[in-house]
Amino acid sequence: AQSVTQLDSHVSVSEGTPVLLRCNYSSSYSPSLFWYVQHPNKGLQLLLKYTSAATLVKGINGFEAEFKKSETSFHLTKPSAHMSDAAEYFCVVSADLSGTYKYIFGTGTRLKVLA
Amino acid sequence: KAGVTQTPRYLIKTRGQQVTLSCSPISGHRSVSWYQQTPGQGLQFLFEYFSETQRNKGNFPGRFSGRQFSNSRSEMNVSTLELGDSALYLCASSLEGAGSNQPQHFGDGTRLSIL
Repeated sequence: AQSVTQLDSHVSVSEGTPVLLRCNYSSSYSPSLFWYVQHPNKGLQLLLKYTSAATLVKGINGFEAEFKKSETSFHLTKPSAHMSDAAEYFCVVSADLSGTYKYIFGTGTRLKVLA
Repeated sequence: KAGVTQTPRYLIKTRGQQVTLSCSPISGHRSVSWYQQTPGQGLQFLFEYFSETQRNKGNFPGRFSGRQFSNSRSEMNVSTLELGDSALYLCASSLEGAGSNQPQHFGDGTRLSIL
């Protein structure tokens, strides 16, 4: 079965320090993976996607993620946090479960950025 | 290219009433999915429509229904509203839908409040 686990429900960083949001997936084949960000009272915005091309994926706003098949991970990183990065982040896998198609969402990680 | 448009943005109803929410997907997208988001339950999948057919459904009662028109626009209906239906309802469109390598693109949601 395919699933997504976001390992931290809350992460706090200081402005200007690196961000690491962790995501592990389970999949029987090479999955399509996505990271989204959601600001309060807004919809989810696509940050980046992995679709079996380059394993290091660059997204918007300075975010990037690395697909590591051996570790079944797709962690989101940013070298330097900005106050505007404070939001909730979702890791998502697009799954084909024997003919049933689903986008499977992680439970989200709320990022807090301290001044 | 215009994004996903949801109308209305805010809605206040009373218990027992019914409500219809509308979603206009990105031009050319054939898949439309609906989600309910609440602080307690997080993001929950309602259903996905693909080329006017419901392709997948989440675990919601029959009071929640939807449809998709030939132009890919979608509506979601909730009958006999309950206090617990208060939530942000998100619509997302995708070129090929769940199971593909295409991401979803989200609208800003309809905030439904039940009095």
